[in-house]
Amino acid sequence: EAGVTQFPSHSVIEKGQTVTLRCDPISGHDNLYWYRRVMGKEIKFLLHFVKESKQDESGMPNNRFLAERTGGTYSTLKVQPAELEDSGVYFCASSQERDFAYEQYFGPGTRLTVT
Amino acid sequence: AQSVTQLGSHVSVSEGALVLLRCNYSSSVPPYLFWYVQYPNQGLQLLLKYTSAATLVKGINGFEAEFKKSETSFHLTKPSAHMSDAAEYFCAVSGSRSSASKIIFGSGTRLSIRP
Repeated sequence: EAGVTQFPSHSVIEKGQTVTLRCDPISGHDNLYWYRRVMGKEIKFLLHFVKESKQDESGMPNNRFLAERTGGTYSTLKVQPAELEDSGVYFCASSQERDFAYEQYFGPGTRLTVT
Repeated sequence: AQSVTQLGSHVSVSEGALVLLRCNYSSSVPPYLFWYVQYPNQGLQLLLKYTSAATLVKGINGFEAEFKKSETSFHLTKPSAHMSDAAEYFCAVSGSRSSASKIIFGSGTRLSIRP
């Protein structure tokens, strides 16, 4: 079974440019999450999809970030325009509820560098 | 609100020595607790989880953690460190009792193993 995949693995862009990150969850997983780790800080939650619907987007930092999940499959996270403080590692995770406990499976992350 | 605090951003032990990584949590409801590990250039991997069953939880690679409600702690231990244990470890708590809730992470502890 393929794990969570993310593309690209690394992106370097200039301030003011646009970047789109992609996440492909494990097949059949309804829950998809985005997290971010800014340098030296903790990993922070951004948002949660259940299928194609946004369940919780309380962690989205501002309206420069737009997340979509077309057809309840893969998800994209667009940053437009990018700022220096957006640099960090963006993780995607997916899960499928099983009994009362769950496990979120994480992808390798996309390292975003804004210069 | 739920939170976790990891004591020590960097821990160094000798190969064969005891590994002890400290984590304290704060939760307004009985928590789900996790330890994740990130090996270099890889994604986050679940080591173990506590979901209110046994207080001593065994995970992969010989790690275990004990839930102590009176101390609000969930420390991670391994009796004998191996060079392959060098990685960054994250303690985490679920944002709510919902099985699909977001995860709230600590700031991470980087474990180094001395030959």
